[in-house]
Amino acid sequence: DSGVTQTPKHLITATGQRVTLRCSPRSGDLSVYWYQQSLDQGLQFLIQYYNGEERAKGNILERFSAQQFPDLHSELNLSSLELGDSALYFCASSAGLRTDTQYFGPGTRLTVL
Amino acid sequence: TQLLEQSPQFLSIQEGENLTVYCNSSSVFSSLQWYRQEPGEGPVLLVTVVTGGEVKKLKRLTFQFGDARKDSSLHITAAQPGDTGLYLCAGDVNRDDKIIFGKGTRLHILP
Repeated sequence: DSGVTQTPKHLITATGQRVTLRCSPRSGDLSVYWYQQSLDQGLQFLIQYYNGEERAKGNILERFSAQQFPDLHSELNLSSLELGDSALYFCASSAGLRTDTQYFGPGTRLTVL
Repeated sequence: TQLLEQSPQFLSIQEGENLTVYCNSSSVFSSLQWYRQEPGEGPVLLVTVVTGGEVKKLKRLTFQFGDARKDSSLHITAAQPGDTGLYLCAGDVNRDDKIIFGKGTRLHILP
């Protein structure tokens, strides 16, 4: 158990819909990272937040957005969903600002039908 | 653009054999990490290497960072079924807060 929690574990929805994925970092960690994992693209970095502020952006689509709240939990919002958005979405946390040791959550499996 | 190439993509060997998997790039990395991921779970960090030429051992696993900090290898001695999983390498370029992952080597150890 990494100490990072993600909900829901599974999510099935239809094209065009909007979903929210939730992540609670390890106690004391200030950085939260979001990743998308698909079979063909591997693990892709989406975005990082540090202590409530956006810190780094990766391959995140404009239809996707994220935020980190004062209690440090984070949400990833995916809108206008397409079939290709079906993937595993992982959240990771680390203590500091840099990409030091990251602890990954169990992931949310999103299926878009 | 895939900055980190991992090879082989798939490897299936008998228990007790040795193996090496590779992680290569044309970019220089400030640090490089190896993770193992099992089905239905998130990646778990195995090791971080930061110095060119560095070698780290974790029981039967030996990790090496290339002298130029562009490549790394993971060697497993006397593989066991519990070593089965997806091995991912990841690195950050110039510590710019973006970590790049390879697509992984899927390892299967046959009992």
